[in-house]
Amino acid sequence: SAVISQKPSRDICQRGTSLTIQCQVDSQVTMMFWYRQQPGQSLTLIATANQGSEATYESGFVIDKFPISRPNLTFSTLTVSNMSPEDSSIYLCSVDSSGTADTQYFGPGTRLTVL
Amino acid sequence: GIQVEQSPPDLILQEGANSTLRCNFSDSVNNLQWFHQNPWGQLINLFYIPSGTKQNGRLSATTVATERYSLLYISSSQTTDSGVYFCAVLFSGNTPLVFGKGTRLSVIA
Repeated sequence: SAVISQKPSRDICQRGTSLTIQCQVDSQVTMMFWYRQQPGQSLTLIATANQGSEATYESGFVIDKFPISRPNLTFSTLTVSNMSPEDSSIYLCSVDSSGTADTQYFGPGTRLTVL
Repeated sequence: GIQVEQSPPDLILQEGANSTLRCNFSDSVNNLQWFHQNPWGQLINLFYIPSGTKQNGRLSATTVATERYSLLYISSSQTTDSGVYFCAVLFSGNTPLVFGKGTRLSVIA
């Protein structure tokens, strides 16, 4: 399994601002994912972060709102842009080292509150 | 469409009791995982179990892929077992991991 860290662990932000969340893995991984968990809800995949190319976004999520970077095989960032209270969620980074998304491991999450 | 359904949605147990959580899925799967989300939000892998039975201490899981369901058994529950249990499925056909809505477990001393 991989050891995954996220920064920040939590933040409180003002409406209209942006926040960048970092995800660091202790080993090189092929696939990295970003999920959102709204209060009391299940996890929803935002996008797959691809190294060396643009992220692949799921239906309902767009690059302008959630730009993602993947500069190397151990690091990724997710930015939540022009935030509104509806963006208040836990954002989780996930990795799969097998290359086939067979078994995913999750970071500790970033708890975001937008006022 | 592809679906993952978990039951029950909520469960309250007395410490020491046993429980069974169920996950039904709508199609053939490449993988199925059970996770425990603790009260601090951390998702902890419990089992990777696309088929068969596995045990880890007081927890065990069984997936019957042909009948499209998986069961998570918790025996002699403890207060530290409280949290939300998620079933997540990787369906055949290169779809992303799909999470169920979870079972919220509260174990009372």
